[in-house]
Amino acid sequence: DAGVIQSPRHEVTEMGQEVTLRCKPISGHDYLFWYRQTMMRGLELLIYFNNNVPIDDSGMPEDRFSAKMPNASFSTLKIQPSEPRDSAVYFCASSRDGPYTEAFFGQGTRLTVV
Amino acid sequence: AQSVAQPEDQVNVAEGNPLTVKCTYSVSGNPYLFWYVQYPNRGLQFLLKYITGDNLVKGSYGFEAEFNKSQTSFHLKKPSALVSDSALYFCAVRDRGSTLGRLYFGRGTQLTVWP
Repeated sequence: DAGVIQSPRHEVTEMGQEVTLRCKPISGHDYLFWYRQTMMRGLELLIYFNNNVPIDDSGMPEDRFSAKMPNASFSTLKIQPSEPRDSAVYFCASSRDGPYTEAFFGQGTRLTVV
Repeated sequence: AQSVAQPEDQVNVAEGNPLTVKCTYSVSGNPYLFWYVQYPNRGLQFLLKYITGDNLVKGSYGFEAEFNKSQTSFHLKKPSALVSDSALYFCAVRDRGSTLGRLYFGRGTQLTVWP
């Protein structure tokens, strides 16, 4: 398996623009997580899905952020409109069912909003 | 509420010396515990986990971690550090009794191993 695949790897956009980050989880994994990493806040869980259903989105910073998982092999995280404070590395991760299972992370998308 | 604390932002050690990266946790029930490593410009990679049984868990790249229930700790160790071990290390916990899949991560500890 190729692992968790995220695209793009890097994204530079202007403030106010819409940004869409994409993730393909590992086949057979039931959980999908979106994290954001910054120097100030460390690693933050934004939202996670179980069997394509959002379970906990309490970490989503505000209404500008939205996430979808239309099927088991694809998820998106959208920011509209983007702001400079959204600049961060965004990670997608997936895991099998079961609380004892480890999560596998993608390589991340480095987002810069200017 | 679940939480993880990594009390040291940075750990420096000479190559060949033993290393320890500390982690303490708080969960309402019993924990599942994990260590991850992050190299520059990469995602997190799983190192090892504690589920049950032997308190000493062995993982990838010669790392091991010891679960101590009374001290609610899960420190990462390696007998002999390598320069290539230099990276950011994250401890994570999941409540065994929780039906939810959420992992709680610490803030990370930057390990630097100098030659």
